[in-house]
Amino acid sequence: GAGVSQSPSNKVTEKGKDVELRCDPISGHTALYWYRQSLGQGLEFLIYFQGNSAPDKSGLPSDRFSAERTGGSVSTLTIQRTQQEDSAVYLCASSFSGVQPQHFGDGTRLSIL
Amino acid sequence: QQQVKQSPQSLIVQKGGISIINCAYENTAFDYFPWYQQFPGKGPALLIAIRPDVSEKKEGRFTISFNKSAKQFSLHIMDSQPGDSATYFCAAAGNTGKLIFGQGTTLQVKP
Repeated sequence: GAGVSQSPSNKVTEKGKDVELRCDPISGHTALYWYRQSLGQGLEFLIYFQGNSAPDKSGLPSDRFSAERTGGSVSTLTIQRTQQEDSAVYLCASSFSGVQPQHFGDGTRLSIL
Repeated sequence: QQQVKQSPQSLIVQKGGISIINCAYENTAFDYFPWYQQFPGKGPALLIAIRPDVSEKKEGRFTISFNKSAKQFSLHIMDSQPGDSATYFCAAAGNTGKLIFGQGTTLQVKP
């Protein structure tokens, strides 16, 4: 596609449920990044993929968070046993081979009731 | 050492005026400094970026000034327009590409 596509655009779920967020990067971009944007914490890095490997997972806040990337393309961010503090906008970005610039999707707005 | 500090938090400018947003960093390993513009409900969009081998970069009405010795960089928006009203983020990255963002500046340009 022309840009980074994220789905769903909005997700409301109950505390304790698991959620999956999807990211389709720009075609040909081998580097993929997940960030989280919240009022209190601003924009925070979560995880970086180069191809299907994740050389930097340092931003994942807890072991409830995991991510994978298959076929060097689509990535899924999974949050298990969601908590209210997980409410945020989850943003995905991609770039060509890890070389800047990064192009962002419009994010998934996650609300935990 | 990984922080990027951005100021001001908010800014109000008259149409036609100059908007100036400042950022400072600590980590000398950073070698890429982009500015992003974000409208409500949208993801950040790259506006302009600079590497530390140049002191200034201009693209249209947007200019980045970079001071390597002071570890500071700034965004200047010339002839500010109401359509420029948005939130602006500076960021810094090293060789992993991981972006460390400033706290953001909400810009309002009054007609």
